[in-house]
Amino acid sequence: GENVEQHPSTLSVQEGDSAVIKCTYSDSASNYFPWYKQELGKGPQLIIDIRSNVGEKKDQRIAVTLNKTAKHFSLHITETQPEDSAVYFCAASISATGNQFYFGTGTSLTVIP
Amino acid sequence: KAGVTQTPRYLIKTRGQQVTLSCSPISGHRSVSWYQQTPGQGLQFLFEYFSETQRNKGNFPGRFSGRQFSNSRSEMNVSTLELGDSALYLCASSLAPLGNTEAFFGQGTRLTVV
Repeated sequence: GENVEQHPSTLSVQEGDSAVIKCTYSDSASNYFPWYKQELGKGPQLIIDIRSNVGEKKDQRIAVTLNKTAKHFSLHITETQPEDSAVYFCAASISATGNQFYFGTGTSLTVIP
Repeated sequence: KAGVTQTPRYLIKTRGQQVTLSCSPISGHRSVSWYQQTPGQGLQFLFEYFSETQRNKGNFPGRFSGRQFSNSRSEMNVSTLELGDSALYLCASSLAPLGNTEAFFGQGTRLTVV
């Protein structure tokens, strides 16, 4: 089955700096890659996603890039703010098989004021 | 528009008991998936239901089961609880049957087995 690896596991940045989280996947059939933010005591919240026919997508301070050849995708957060502190998960799915997501192990991001 | 609602939020059960968790998806969403989240194993897929049919199943023992009703609400059941079943159980709903559409998670049910 699909295997998603995520790095780093923890990340600390100064407020205003950028943060980058990287994920790799193993199954070339994966074609949908969402990113989730999970705050303490809450369920994961979808923050951005990208499909395999797109190389990059941006939404305000958040962007995601996808390299299908290398099978990796990354989350970029610019101008970080303390409220960005949370655990971030990447995921991959194969649309033909339904809504089954394979998740990375998570990155705990701390933004230092 | 209401989000995904999971009940109860917290549960404490004894080893050997069984438990039923409930999930109400976003209105109009017909796909419901369940995940187990633990510190050691992360987020692991349990199963997915669409139009009352189980479409996918993860690598969990048969003690874990689920179902979906005609109104898309879903329940999952765990029988003969073990200490290792302590986890946050998350439900996600999606509008479309294929896996390239957004999935929205509920707050989860925190199950503690003692």
